[in-house]
Amino acid sequence: SAVISQKPSRDICQRGTSLTIQCQVDSQVTMMFWYRQQPGQSLTLIATANQGSEATYESGFVIDKFPISRPNLTFSTLTVSNMSPEDSSIYLCSVGESGGRRDEKLFFGSGTQLSVL
Amino acid sequence: QQQVKQSPQSLIVQKGGISIINCAYENTAFDYFPWYQQFPGKGPALLIAIRPDVSEKKEGRFTISFNKSAKQFSLHIMDSQPGDSATYFCAALNQAGTALIFGKGTTLSVSS
Repeated sequence: SAVISQKPSRDICQRGTSLTIQCQVDSQVTMMFWYRQQPGQSLTLIATANQGSEATYESGFVIDKFPISRPNLTFSTLTVSNMSPEDSSIYLCSVGESGGRRDEKLFFGSGTQLSVL
Repeated sequence: QQQVKQSPQSLIVQKGGISIINCAYENTAFDYFPWYQQFPGKGPALLIAIRPDVSEKKEGRFTISFNKSAKQFSLHIMDSQPGDSATYFCAALNQAGTALIFGKGTTLSVSS
């Protein structure tokens, strides 16, 4: 199983600012996934980060709002830009069991609880 | 558009009782149906999963029942314990998918 370290664990931010969330995995993986978990809502995939290429964003999410970096096979960052209260949510980093494209078993970090005032 | 519908939103069960959470889907291309368990302050963790070629899978006190014709599947927790109190998510994955589609979650409270 993969061990995922995510930080910060929580933050309170002012409207209009940006926050960068870091995700470190204890093994090399090709694909890393970023999810958003809004209160009372399902986990929604924001984007898939493939090392060495641009991240692939899901419908409703854009790179200008959620830029992602993937500098190596064990690390990724997600930035939430120009934040508004609607961005208050839990952001989760995830990797699959095989580390590849289609993974049935996902491992999640503990998440970043973001509150925007 | 929500592709996996989960109910109920919350559930309270007495210790020793049976907890039942239901999910329904529409996309017949889904071929893998897991359940994830999430404790407060933690990320979700895979609990149990099933494929559409079987109607039931049991692991300890946890059982998935799958009805392919009705496009429904459910999680049964037998002899529910206070330690089972958590949020449960059903999910689905299709053959071409790169990531799971999750339901909205069910918050289970098991009272002692």
